[in-house]
Amino acid sequence: AQKVTQAQTEISVVEKEDVTLDCVYETRDTTYYLFWYKQPPSGELVFLIRRNSFDEQNEISGRYSWNFQKSTSSFNFTITASQVVDSAVYFCALSETQGGSEKLVFGKGTKLTVNP
Amino acid sequence: DGGITQSPKYLFRKEGQNVTLSCEQNLNHDAMYWYRQDPGQGLRLIYYSQIVNDFQKGDIAEGYSVSREKKESFPLTVTSAQKNPTAFYLCASSTRTRGEQYFGPGTRLTVT
Repeated sequence: AQKVTQAQTEISVVEKEDVTLDCVYETRDTTYYLFWYKQPPSGELVFLIRRNSFDEQNEISGRYSWNFQKSTSSFNFTITASQVVDSAVYFCALSETQGGSEKLVFGKGTKLTVNP
Repeated sequence: DGGITQSPKYLFRKEGQNVTLSCEQNLNHDAMYWYRQDPGQGLRLIYYSQIVNDFQKGDIAEGYSVSREKKESFPLTVTSAQKNPTAFYLCASSTRTRGEQYFGPGTRLTVT
């Protein structure tokens, strides 16, 4: 079965520090997608990125960057120069195919607190 | 503006009552999903629907029911058979082909 592990339950940093959120996944699929979502205190999940399993290029979007390493089944997320507004719960997710239907398997999330 | 709406944001019910949570999307997405989130937990899939008039059970479907009569709408009924219904419920939608899911603002249900 597919599985996503986010070993860091909570992380606390001071503003302007860099922080990396870890995500390790298990799958038997050869083609799959990985995702990161942000859940601010308001509760709504915000989509951040989708990565195809065939594309191992790292991606950067402003202060956010993602490191996908198939060899270690990891898809880590780094926030550079963190800000208070980055405080949220971050979820990593993996697409799963079951009976022809697509669904996502989520990790338990990492709560990031950025202190001023 | 395209998006997903869930209503109401907060819902209170007495034990033993069924309650229906609304989810509407105008993104023209084929697939819709219902998740449950408990404090400190990840998201657990309740039901999902890939097309109109068809839906499948997720990991924790017991005590819940859904319908998908229209592409835009995917209401979730929490029945009295659900033993611990108090939770945060999130609805999502996506295109069918491994697209990212977009989420609504959620409904926080409290049953006493």
